[in-house]
Amino acid sequence: EAGVAQSPRYKIIEKRQSVAFWCNPISGHATLYWYQQILGQGPKLLIQFQNNGVVDDSQLPKDRFSAERLKGVDSTLKIQPAKLEDSAVYLCASSLVRTGVDEKLFFGSGTQLSVL
Amino acid sequence: RKEVEQDPGPFNVPEGATVAFNCTYSNSASQSFFWYRQDCRKEPKLLMSVYSSGNEDGRFTAQLNRASQYISLLIRDSKLSDSATYLCVVILYSSASKIIFGSGTRLSIRP
Repeated sequence: EAGVAQSPRYKIIEKRQSVAFWCNPISGHATLYWYQQILGQGPKLLIQFQNNGVVDDSQLPKDRFSAERLKGVDSTLKIQPAKLEDSAVYLCASSLVRTGVDEKLFFGSGTQLSVL
Repeated sequence: RKEVEQDPGPFNVPEGATVAFNCTYSNSASQSFFWYRQDCRKEPKLLMSVYSSGNEDGRFTAQLNRASQYISLLIRDSKLSDSATYLCVVILYSSASKIIFGSGTRLSIRP
């Protein structure tokens, strides 16, 4: 079974530039998450989709970050304009369904973003 | 107070040793608990779920103490390959699920 696919694997940009990340979840997984992981910290949820609807985006810095999952399958996360503090690994994860009991997450390899 | 707290470590133990670490959570309404493992420069992967009755998977044992609001992970007969960061995950359910990761505990096994 194919896992969660993410691209690019690495990205280096200068501050104030724009960047976009792409994620394709495991086939059939209804829920998709974008996490930000800063070095030495645990993953922090940015946005959670259930099919193509947003479930939780309370921690998404909406002045510069945006995300969409138009057809309820793959998703893109965009940062515009980037700041130095956005340097982190951006992880996409998916889960089969929000059963309310055993919500197991499957992560992609992540995109390591460096903002100079 | 953080919603999920872990001792960051690092724990540095010899191969074959037994090591244990805890994770505390602040919200008593938390309903599901997991341990994830994250290797250096890799993505987190599910290690095991944590149940009230405790559960074991080979050399790994997870326990949940709802009264004191902590979960634990015990690794017996540690191997070099157990070196990783172990992330505690707590899930709250209300109108939507809220998945909260701890900062992780670094474990290093030395020969």
